[in-house]
Amino acid sequence: DGGITQSPKYLFRKEGQNVTLSCEQNLNHDAMYWYRQDPGQGLRLIYYSQIVNDFQKGDIAEGYSVSREKKESFPLTVTSAQKNPTAFYLCASSPSGQGQRKETQYFGPGTRLLVL
Amino acid sequence: RKEVEQDPGPFNVPEGATVAFNCTYSNSASQSFFWYRQDCRKEPKLLMSVYSSGNEDGRFTAQLNRASQYISLLIRDSKLSDSATYLCVVRFSGGYNKLIFGAGTRLAVHP
Repeated sequence: DGGITQSPKYLFRKEGQNVTLSCEQNLNHDAMYWYRQDPGQGLRLIYYSQIVNDFQKGDIAEGYSVSREKKESFPLTVTSAQKNPTAFYLCASSPSGQGQRKETQYFGPGTRLLVL
Repeated sequence: RKEVEQDPGPFNVPEGATVAFNCTYSNSASQSFFWYRQDCRKEPKLLMSVYSSGNEDGRFTAQLNRASQYISLLIRDSKLSDSATYLCVVRFSGGYNKLIFGAGTRLAVHP
């Protein structure tokens, strides 16, 4: 089955610790995205990548870093510089092509990050 | 002003009811529009795209009013399984595939 997987489902971070969230897709999608969701708020874009070895900051990139060494993988690191990391983190991907097909984003099941 | 605004609800309706949600967006250059459904503590899933002429998918009907910059979702014959949060999503013109998400409208369908 094609899809997007994220791990772990729950992650606990201690003060001053960097943690990495995994995102893998086998949909052969070119573009991948990381969002953060807080209660009562819409999803906010952290980083996105349109092709391998290239990525761009989204609206709230401070305190986060990413890499895109493989088409299938787009890991997100939450660094100690992110002072309020507790949130639901969602990875998404979208296919190449034109119009509506390209614009539709498909989401992984998410990772809940909690600070100890 | 938020780029995409929705009434957070909750909308509490009995089974079989018809319910409608509205969403307004601020950028008149917006190109594409979507409704996503998000169950509690799960990821959003695409419910339907919204086309200028309006479109229907079974019990769900989406409408777009570009002049007034709002999108609507109508659910007929509500089922218990329709209980979820419905996210209004807008793609603005230009550059990459950037989607702006509303905070969502919560629907609770009761027996």
